[in-house]
Amino acid sequence: DGGITQSPKYLFRKEGQNVTLSCEQNLNHDAMYWYRQDPGQGLRLIYYSQIVNDFQKGDIAEGYSVSREKKESFPLTVTSAQKNPTAFYLCASSITTTGVGQPQHFGDGTRLSIL
Amino acid sequence: LAKTTQPISMDSYEGQEVNITCSHNNIATNDYITWYQQFPSQGPRFIIQGYKTKVTNEVASLFIPADRKSSTLSLPRVSLSDTAVYYCLVGDLTGANNLFFGTGTRLTVIP
Repeated sequence: DGGITQSPKYLFRKEGQNVTLSCEQNLNHDAMYWYRQDPGQGLRLIYYSQIVNDFQKGDIAEGYSVSREKKESFPLTVTSAQKNPTAFYLCASSITTTGVGQPQHFGDGTRLSIL
Repeated sequence: LAKTTQPISMDSYEGQEVNITCSHNNIATNDYITWYQQFPSQGPRFIIQGYKTKVTNEVASLFIPADRKSSTLSLPRVSLSDTAVYYCLVGDLTGANNLFFGTGTRLTVIP
């Protein structure tokens, strides 16, 4: 079955630590995205990548970093510079970021909490 | 970036048709309207997308008036499993920053 896999489902971080959230897709999509969702709120874009070895900042990139070394993988690192990292993180992909009818497909998220 | 306005919440009884309206007064010529559904602790799921008039698929219909300043998602005969948050997005799909997820509409289906 094609889809997006995020791991782990739950993640705990001590203050001052960096943590990396995994996102893998087997849909052969060019574009991948990371969003953050806080309780009762909508999604906010952190980073997105249109193609391998390229990515752009979204609305709330500070305190986060990404890499896109392979088409199917787009890991997100939450650094110690992110002062309020507790949130639900969602990864998505789409065929491209251009054109008609290119909805985003989402994973089931990683819930990050600070110990 | 076209922002959208939706009701915060709606209640409906099982078996009824539910219409959720979204306002997008500053929609641009190239913008499409897309609706997503999200269950708790899951990622949003694409429901339907349209540009103008009416679009229908196996789960919903999308009505868009001629001025495109609003759109209505119609869910026929809802069941308890349709309880979720529904997001209306407007964008031209030419860049990730075009997609704005607001707070959505929380639909509760009552037995």
